[in-house]
Amino acid sequence: SQQGEEDPQALSIQEGENATMNCSYKTSINNLQWYRQNSGRGLVHLILIRSNEREKHSGRLRVTLDTSKKSSSLLITASRAADTASYFCATDTGRRALTFGSGTRLQVQP
Amino acid sequence: SQTIHQWPATLVQPVGSPLSLECTVEGTSNPNLYWYRQAAGRGLQLLFYSVGIGQISSEVPQNLSASRPQDRQFILSSKKLLLSDSGFYLCAWSVQFDEQFFGPGTRLTVL
Repeated sequence: SQQGEEDPQALSIQEGENATMNCSYKTSINNLQWYRQNSGRGLVHLILIRSNEREKHSGRLRVTLDTSKKSSSLLITASRAADTASYFCATDTGRRALTFGSGTRLQVQP
Repeated sequence: SQTIHQWPATLVQPVGSPLSLECTVEGTSNPNLYWYRQAAGRGLQLLFYSVGIGQISSEVPQNLSASRPQDRQFILSSKKLLLSDSGFYLCAWSVQFDEQFFGPGTRLTVL
């Protein structure tokens, strides 16, 4: 299986609710990143958390990292219809290239 | 500011035909460059990355190849396309090995 795997694979919520996505990985990391992809488009970087950090915030995004459990979570608060997209975690293991998970498809119903 | 271009945006090719996808980056020097492939509804598979002109690392053995003839140009090629080569091809760049910046992608359909 992949280094990074997101859970759930798909998530449907109502506008205004919070959305939580999880990512698990297998090997030691330098950092973990979250990306967003709108349908048929390229990926956009959202946030990076380093291995010595436990939590990071950016606007309505909150990312946590638990290196002992090799897991991370992305929380989007007060979701909007425009947040509808696929979200990917990616890990930097020092290989000079990121390893991406298979993504969580988020649908925010207006 | 930095920008990344990919072309063509869409491509339909017959099995056995050659392929050339181009990616160029503006506004930065000596970037790390990457080619990914994404199957429908799936994650990204790293195909190649390059840390400098003429330096290509291949991640997945297949009938694709990559070249970096100039500092900010990255080309993905194939001599003979297979049906399984269909997918969404993304080019990306980075300065360090942190945040990556992605191009708009090329959707390739092999018939």
